[in-house]
Amino acid sequence: AQKITQTQPGMFVQEKEAVTLDCTYDTSDPSYGLFWYKQPSSGEMIFLIYQGSYDQQNATEGRYSLNFQKARKSANLVISASQLGDSAMYFCAMREGGYSGGGADGLTFGKGTHLIIQP
Amino acid sequence: DAGVTQSPTHLIKTRGQQVTLRCSPKSGHDTVSWYQQALGQGPQFIFQYYEEEERQRGNFPDRFSGHQYPNYSSELNVNALLLGDSALYLCASSSTRNNSPLHFGNGTRLTVT
Repeated sequence: AQKITQTQPGMFVQEKEAVTLDCTYDTSDPSYGLFWYKQPSSGEMIFLIYQGSYDQQNATEGRYSLNFQKARKSANLVISASQLGDSAMYFCAMREGGYSGGGADGLTFGKGTHLIIQP
Repeated sequence: DAGVTQSPTHLIKTRGQQVTLRCSPKSGHDTVSWYQQALGQGPQFIFQYYEEEERQRGNFPDRFSGHQYPNYSSELNVNALLLGDSALYLCASSSTRNNSPLHFGNGTRLTVT
């Protein structure tokens, strides 16, 4: 079974609208971290937002928020007021086990969602 | 403050050859991880280096090997190249001293013909 599932291969959204990118995950480890990365055509993976499995509140970073529903094992990314520059690939990723000081286990990525913002 | 830098940006090799990719981590980072991203896919974890040792490895054959130097920079070596090794190779760095997320470089695009 896939550990990270992103069911939307591509999405078209009008500029200034909010957009939700879906992500579901599968793990039996009670301690894990969930990440969203943005990958423009340049190839660089840009960190957007992080949610720990024990975090009580949903993470927010500027226009990005993470809708974390632990019982459903979902971690959807919400982008408010979308901009043309938001057009890119978006990847959901998970790190299992304790998140101890950054130098922990490798990330497992989903297949990504190609988001296109239309003017 | 320089981020993660990788070289070269593009590389073309022939089947059976060997290749070395290089990565300098972000300033202050001591851990380097390597990922392979095939076209249209998400990155896949190859391995991670910390204190000049391989600490964790993904599901990749022994043809993939690496090294980390005392200045934390790292190399990824791939021997006996196959056509299927064509991909974007991403280097990521992080710090064991704080809960920093992975910072990625722009990658090296490897084409095997």
